Amino acid sequence: NAGVTQTPKFRVLKTGQSMTLLCAQDMNHEYMYWYRQDPGMGLRLIHYSVGEGTTAKGEVPDGYNVSRLKNQNFLLGLESAAPSQTSVYFCASSFWTSGGTGYNEQFFGPGTRLTVL
Amino acid sequence: GEDVEQSLFLSVREGDSSVINCTYTDSSSTYLYWYKQEPGAGLQLLTYIFSNMDMKQDQRLTVLLNKKDKHLSLRIADTQTGDSAIYFCAESAFSGGYNKLIFGAGTRLAVHP
Repeated sequence: NAGVTQTPKFRVLKTGQSMTLLCAQDMNHEYMYWYRQDPGMGLRLIHYSVGEGTTAKGEVPDGYNVSRLKNQNFLLGLESAAPSQTSVYFCASSFWTSGGTGYNEQFFGPGTRLTVL
Repeated sequence: GEDVEQSLFLSVREGDSSVINCTYTDSSSTYLYWYKQEPGAGLQLLTYIFSNMDMKQDQRLTVLLNKKDKHLSLRIADTQTGDSAIYFCAESAFSGGYNKLIFGAGTRLAVHP
């Protein structure tokens, strides 16, 4: 199993450009997540998905859009990049657990380092 | 609301014990987790504890949970240079019908000879 993979690993954009980050998982997980990691702020949830065709907003969704394709792919789009979106982006996935009492181990990809000039 | 706090840095000498502390706010969290992030890599689950436990030991790792004070700690015995990493505390949360994790800012552990 490859686990969770992310492409690309690095990217430099100019302000106003657009791009899509791709995440794929081969563990048949229902949940997928996009986080951004900034120094001193830990991981903040951007968007998440609980299955093909479903997405929901996380803590910091503005400026990003997502789509969930065929359950194993979760795409993060930046329509018009801004310097404030310079960050390291992590994708994660986990199994569905019932209600609010379930164990929720998330498996992370290696990250995409994005710089917006 | 949900919030997880931890100190940002810890420096220890090789062979000593490291203790990383965390406080959380959601008393309904049923699981609490410790993740490890090595340089240039994603996060990996290190250990976890169920909320009805006070302590969990796994080789060099000891997790202590004080539910009354909402305090979680991770002790690493005989700390090695390979333990240098960022350690994230996380609590489980159920919001909008979905399971999520709320992460702290991460504690950077530096191990020196």
